[in-house]
Amino acid sequence: GQQLNQSPQSMFIQEGEDVSMNCTSSSIFNTWLWYKQDPGEGPVLLIALYKAGELTSNGRLTAQFGITRKDSFLNISASIPSDVGIYFCAGQLAGNSGYALNFGKGTSLLVTP
Amino acid sequence: KAGVTQTPRYLIKTRGQQVTLSCSPISGHRSVSWYQQTPGQGLQFLFEYFSETQRNKGNFPGRFSGRQFSNSRSEMNVSTLELGDSALYLCASSLRTPILSSGNTIYFGEGSWLTVV
Repeated sequence: GQQLNQSPQSMFIQEGEDVSMNCTSSSIFNTWLWYKQDPGEGPVLLIALYKAGELTSNGRLTAQFGITRKDSFLNISASIPSDVGIYFCAGQLAGNSGYALNFGKGTSLLVTP
Repeated sequence: KAGVTQTPRYLIKTRGQQVTLSCSPISGHRSVSWYQQTPGQGLQFLFEYFSETQRNKGNFPGRFSGRQFSNSRSEMNVSTLELGDSALYLCASSLRTPILSSGNTIYFGEGSWLTVV
């Protein structure tokens, strides 16, 4: 599968700050998904995006499906300590006969009180 | 409703042995896929099943196999284990396949941690 380019690799911020991370691909995607994974646990779905240009919020989280269908970003506003974890973007390639997801390498977020 | 359930959560095996991991999808979900997660390679797709048929397979050797039962539960098997097979194995389920859409997205289980010694 295709590896997505996710950045930044890690972030170390203070509580209350806003966070932004993004994923890019050289191929067109049908779907972008954002997951959060805590140590020792499976990924938990945060936001799913299905249409180019779509902007979706989930509490303090906002994500957008890029117009070109080759990128997506996730913003977290007013971060809190429980936001700590690894955030993954995942996408389904357009024209894929199955729905294998392609994942980014993850953004590790640390929040200090 | 219950989420994706994977068993066992943790296991240790010796090189050369084989292992079977189990996954129960969310009730009503008919598509199950498996992923391997390692620090070096990240999350990589293994295979996907729908209605007991393997519809999609990732780039893994034949030692990795799986199946799906009529109740949508799935198992994956790794034979002749190697040290490099140590990983978190994640199962994910979806209502149907193949194209994701609103109302048809993918949810992951907590995973099975496999350590090969």
